[in-house]
Amino acid sequence: QQQVKQSPQSLIVQKGGISIINCAYENTAFDYFPWYQQFPGKGPALLIAIRPDVSEKKEGRFTISFNKSAKQFSLHIMDSQPGDSATYFCAASRDSNYQLIWGAGTKLIIKP
Amino acid sequence: DAGITQSPRHKVTETGTPVTLRCHQTENHRYMYWYRQDPGHGLRLIHYSYGVKDTDKGEVSDGYSVSRSKTEDFLLTLESATSSQTSVYFCASRRSETQYFGPGTRLLVL
Repeated sequence: QQQVKQSPQSLIVQKGGISIINCAYENTAFDYFPWYQQFPGKGPALLIAIRPDVSEKKEGRFTISFNKSAKQFSLHIMDSQPGDSATYFCAASRDSNYQLIWGAGTKLIIKP
Repeated sequence: DAGITQSPRHKVTETGTPVTLRCHQTENHRYMYWYRQDPGHGLRLIHYSYGVKDTDKGEVSDGYSVSRSKTEDFLLTLESATSSQTSVYFCASRRSETQYFGPGTRLLVL
């Protein structure tokens, strides 16, 4: 019930294409869903986050889609660029403690 | 990474030796976390702190202890290092819902 399952493990996308990473959770008590981006040799950094009261959140080229009934959420990167090449982690937590449960990560490579 | 440093950045040690990793933050955040990152496992919480001298276990706390004597410092100790503790260790601090991570410590236990 505490797991967050992330797929795919790795993804290669052509420059200009759309990158899509999916996550699924079981615990219906989760109410905060962030995505973190990690470049090699660096710590993860918050990219974008969503709460269950909305179905979509967009920040620039990055969009989170949230499906509460299916207990799934996904990250879409539009017009993917080589600089987006990184590892992406989804996570989930409850507002009461913000203790994040992490997905296993997706290594994204954008081919020029 | 702003405001959070970790030391050392790299360490090689031998099985059975104690190891201490240090995390220092200048943000005055109350909450701090230690994670380990291994391929295929994402980030797994080792221990966390919710204030000076207030700490609690995470999901993979066996073989690790922590201490927090000042708001800015959070120490992680491997009491007797084992090869299974070879990993990259990240410290984070939290403001509101956002966690801010340090640059990581790469630990190799031979």
